[in-house]
Amino acid sequence: AQSVTQLDSQVPVFEEAPVELRCNYSSSVSVYLFWYVQYPNQGLQLLLKYLSGSTLVKGINGFEAEFNKSQTSFHLRKPSVHISDTAEYFCAALQGGSEKLVFGKGTKLTVNP
Amino acid sequence: DAGVIQSPRHEVTEMGQEVTLRCKPISGHDYLFWYRQTMMRGLELLIYFNNNVPIDDSGMPEDRFSAKMPNASFSTLKIQPSEPRDSAVYFCASSLNRDGTQYFGPGTRLLVL
Repeated sequence: AQSVTQLDSQVPVFEEAPVELRCNYSSSVSVYLFWYVQYPNQGLQLLLKYLSGSTLVKGINGFEAEFNKSQTSFHLRKPSVHISDTAEYFCAALQGGSEKLVFGKGTKLTVNP
Repeated sequence: DAGVIQSPRHEVTEMGQEVTLRCKPISGHDYLFWYRQTMMRGLELLIYFNNNVPIDDSGMPEDRFSAKMPNASFSTLKIQPSEPRDSAVYFCASSLNRDGTQYFGPGTRLLVL
C-alpha cells in the first residue's frame, strides 16, 4: 500500500481562485509531513512542513496546510492562486525511524488566466 | 550559499557507455541523497549517505549503479553500462539534519540512446 497518497494527479484552476491539493498518509510513515514544489525544469523546494505543534502550518508563497490526525490528511491550500503557482506539488512524509522521505506521486497544478 | 550543485545538467549517451553524475552538497550538510525521477515511477530514492557513509542503498536498481562520497563536498553516481531505461532526471539533495528538510539540486537530465 502506498504510504503517501495524493488524490489528484492534475488540478486546473483559474487565476485568483482558491485551490486545495489533497494528501493522505498511512500509518507506515511518521507524522513528520511536508509539501515540496517543483517548477518546470527545476529541483524540488520545500513549501512547508509539519513536525509538531499547531496543526495549521503556513509556508512560502501564501500556501498553508492543515494536519488532521483523525483523517490522516495533510491538505495544501491557497486562497488565491497566481499564474506563477503553476508547478508540480509533492506531499511527503518521513519514513518512521529514518531520514528517508516518502513522496506521493505529485499533483500538477495549472493556473489558467 | 550556492545551493546544491549538480553536473552535468544534461547528458546524452549511447547504450553501453559509462555515465558519471556529480553532486556538491551544501557546505555543512551531513546527509546526501540521490533520487531518480521518471514519468512512470515518479520520484525514487536511490541511496543516501550520512557523514560520507552509505546508509541505505536499497533503492539502487541493480549492480550497474554505484555511488560514492569520497569527502563531505562531493558525491558521484555512476551507471555502467548504461541502458535506455536509465533515461530520467537524477537529483541530488542534501540535508543538515534528520527532520526531512532537504535541499535539491537542479538535476541532471540523462538520455540514453
